[in-house]
Amino acid sequence: GNSVTQMEGPVTLSEEAFLTINCTYTATGYPSLFWYVQYPGEGLQLLLKATKADDKGSNKGFEATYRKETTSFHLEKGSVQVSDSAVYFCALRGSSNTGKLIFGQGTTLQVKP
Amino acid sequence: EAGVAQSPRYKIIEKRQSVAFWCNPISGHATLYWYQQILGQGPKLLIQFQNNGVVDDSQLPKDRFSAERLKGVDSTLKIQPAKLEDSAVYLCASSSVGRRSSYEQYFGPGTRLTVT
Repeated sequence: GNSVTQMEGPVTLSEEAFLTINCTYTATGYPSLFWYVQYPGEGLQLLLKATKADDKGSNKGFEATYRKETTSFHLEKGSVQVSDSAVYFCALRGSSNTGKLIFGQGTTLQVKP
Repeated sequence: EAGVAQSPRYKIIEKRQSVAFWCNPISGHATLYWYQQILGQGPKLLIQFQNNGVVDDSQLPKDRFSAERLKGVDSTLKIQPAKLEDSAVYLCASSSVGRRSSYEQYFGPGTRLTVT
């Protein structure tokens, strides 16, 4: 079945450091891929998405490229801020259904000033 | 535009008791989802409704969990009787119906359930 694997956290970085959070997936067909963010005390928010191979999703300085050849969708940001501290979830929506999301286990990011 | 509303935000019960959660999706959203998020894990879909019909309930523990969506708007999720392993955050999400690429899900703040 479909699945998502994320790098384990927590990830601790200093402000302005480069961020990479790895995400790989297993799926049949052509899934859509997402990154969601959960700030402390808040609900899940969509950060970015990509719906087909080689698409790059971007938002708030974060980027991720849909790599079908490596079945990956790594999240990157060139310079993190303290306000980026949150839990990040990689997710996929299979090509054969209407909406169900399958999530990775989440990666906690802590950015120190 | 109002977001997805959920209540209560927190609930503490003893095992074998029953509990119910309520969700009000974004106005006009035909699809509603209930996810279970256990601490340290990603959300897992329990049930998906399209209007008031069930699309997917394959991971719903039907011996103790039930859900309904009357009139295709609000939804309730019930657990009876609760077990310790049901301690989790229960998330409700909704999305509009349209082209597959527009099925963006909007999540509510969740209900944190603690079973003691």
